[in-house]
Amino acid sequence: DAKTTQPPSMDCAEGRAANLPCNHSTISGNEYVYWYRQIHSQGPQYIIHGLKNNETNEMASLIITEDRKSSTLILPHATLRDTAVYYCIVRRSGAGSYQLTFGKGTKLSVIP
Amino acid sequence: DAGVTQSPTHLIKTRGQHVTLRCSPISGHKSVSWYQQVLGQGPQFIFQYYEKEERGRGNFPDRFSARQFPNYSSELNVNALLLGDSALYLCASSPESQLFNYGYTFGSGTRLTVV
Repeated sequence: DAKTTQPPSMDCAEGRAANLPCNHSTISGNEYVYWYRQIHSQGPQYIIHGLKNNETNEMASLIITEDRKSSTLILPHATLRDTAVYYCIVRRSGAGSYQLTFGKGTKLSVIP
Repeated sequence: DAGVTQSPTHLIKTRGQHVTLRCSPISGHKSVSWYQQVLGQGPQFIFQYYEKEERGRGNFPDRFSARQFPNYSSELNVNALLLGDSALYLCASSPESQLFNYGYTFGSGTRLTVV
């Protein structure tokens, strides 16, 4: 699986958009980008994933660059409850793709 | 619907002892995965079971073992506990063994402290 690089921490003002970057310059054509978050003392929570097209769901948007070497997770209107560690994970989908490889993630602090 | 449930929530054991952690997946989910999360690090993959068979194993010693029951619940066993086994142990379930087009659902974990 391709490695990912994320900033260790970020701050965001409440109500503003939070943009969390992830670099995955060695990503392969069959590898997806997944985002999870972990709120303190809870298990990780799935947010969104994508292959090459931008994706949006009720939680967030995922923007993947055309060369797929980086992506950005966007929380459109951050709230205090979005304070968490956000993990960007690259993983191929299909046979044998059963594990998630977590890095240290980005600790997002939403400030009132 | 109940989510992924893990028991116990907290546990304190002595070095050298054995521990059993339990996980009940979401109803209808046939796959259970176990992860270990040491303080300050991301979760690390230990095992995945699907339809009672081991489908994957991470880089953990043989002191770690697991099994899945006919009702798809699972146990993680750790023998000869070391201080370094102190961690949050997470269970995740999914309908299938592969990632496909959805993510895994994690439980809140069991906090194991080895003294």
